[in-house]
Amino acid sequence: DTEVTQTPKHLVMGMTNKKSLKCEQHMGHRAMYWYKQKAKKPPELMFVYSYEKLSINESVPSRFSPECPNSSLLNLHLHALQPEDSALYLCASSRPGTYWRSEQFFGPGTRLTVL
Amino acid sequence: GESVGLHLPTLSVQEGDNSIINCAYSNSASDYFIWYKQESGKGPQFIIDIRSNMDKRQGQRVTVLLNKTVKHLSLQIAATQPGDSAVYFCAERGSGNQFYFGTGTSLTVIP
Repeated sequence: DTEVTQTPKHLVMGMTNKKSLKCEQHMGHRAMYWYKQKAKKPPELMFVYSYEKLSINESVPSRFSPECPNSSLLNLHLHALQPEDSALYLCASSRPGTYWRSEQFFGPGTRLTVL
Repeated sequence: GESVGLHLPTLSVQEGDNSIINCAYSNSASDYFIWYKQESGKGPQFIIDIRSNMDKRQGQRVTVLLNKTVKHLSLQIAATQPGDSAVYFCAERGSGNQFYFGTGTSLTVIP
């Protein structure tokens, strides 16, 4: 199984709502990532989890809160978002960087619209 | 974050021709690079990777070349097909296992 799944596929939320994005992989990968991608732009790294611990936070606003409950799951909790946070949110997983080949496998993304 | 850029934002090629997509990176300490293909509405898909101690790596119809002297990466696609039409990104790995993406090149294959 080389698939990363993400739910929901689409999400529309108001600025006062609280919602969560979910990501799951069963490849035994111990590194998981959240990226944000705007239209016609490259993915921007938000968070990196390594062995279920947050290892990198790319100065992401606190209205985005990641969580890694176990080695297969990654969540992104959203609260008090702004319209400019509307984007495609991508989850990825890989083997840890100690392997020379640690290609990332990406999910299809969640298309988020903040009204 | 790191800076990884692409020279050409768009590229159009005739079906059957070879395509070359270029990428410049800024961190000479980066040890691993990946090329991704992203089709509309989908997540990036791995194409090929290369480690910094290699100059060239070949896959099926694709070749990645790495020139560390000028910090340049290229992706060559042989006999380009309509299904190759997509946006292509290079990405470099930082010291903390994070990946930084270049700006992307949109490849259009003309039948």
